[in-house]
Amino acid sequence: SQQGEEDPQALSIQEGENATMNCSYKTSINNLQWYRQNSGRGLVHLILIRSNEREKHSGRLRVTLDTSKKSSSLLITASRAADTASYFCATATGANNLFFGTGTRLTVIP
Amino acid sequence: NAGVMQNPRHLVRRRGQEARLRCSPMKGHSHVYWYRQLPEEGLKFMVYLQKENIIDESGMPKERFSAEFPKEGPSILRIQQVVRGDSAAYFCASSPPGSLNQNIQYFGAGTRLSVL
Repeated sequence: SQQGEEDPQALSIQEGENATMNCSYKTSINNLQWYRQNSGRGLVHLILIRSNEREKHSGRLRVTLDTSKKSSSLLITASRAADTASYFCATATGANNLFFGTGTRLTVIP
Repeated sequence: NAGVMQNPRHLVRRRGQEARLRCSPMKGHSHVYWYRQLPEEGLKFMVYLQKENIIDESGMPKERFSAEFPKEGPSILRIQQVVRGDSAAYFCASSPPGSLNQNIQYFGAGTRLSVL
């Protein structure tokens, strides 16, 4: 299976703290993306990192990619209650379809 | 510019009935993807379509499931003779043409299918 895995499965932090989620995958990729899903809603794209990139920033988000370890991390700094959601990594291997991980459920406590 | 529209949002079917899920991609998007999500799980790829063509259906069950994206109108995911195990949220996503290697997908709100 090409599906990735996120770690941890669930994470609970206080508002203002940083949240780190990890993703591991199995195959070579063209890019890796992170998506957010609020309860009962569709996914929203957050950030894309190409296979030749090692780090990328977008606002309070920082993504790293280590292709030798087939892993990525998503860091959310200064978390807010509104960041409460499930976060998924997705890998793109060349065809247009994406393979999603199992997700990390983040709860930010006000 | 409307986003990806899926309907219905909720669909209840009895075992053996047919379920039809509709997806209208974002304006200008010619790639459509269907995913299935079970509770507390990630999305599982089902099928990737372009107008009038199925590009990749490697995630589709071999029986009872079919998908189309006609020249005119929405993409349809059809499930015949539904069983309880088909109960899930089905998400559609779209992306613009020429987006290979930049395949950011835009998701609809999903259709929640419940099979009684």
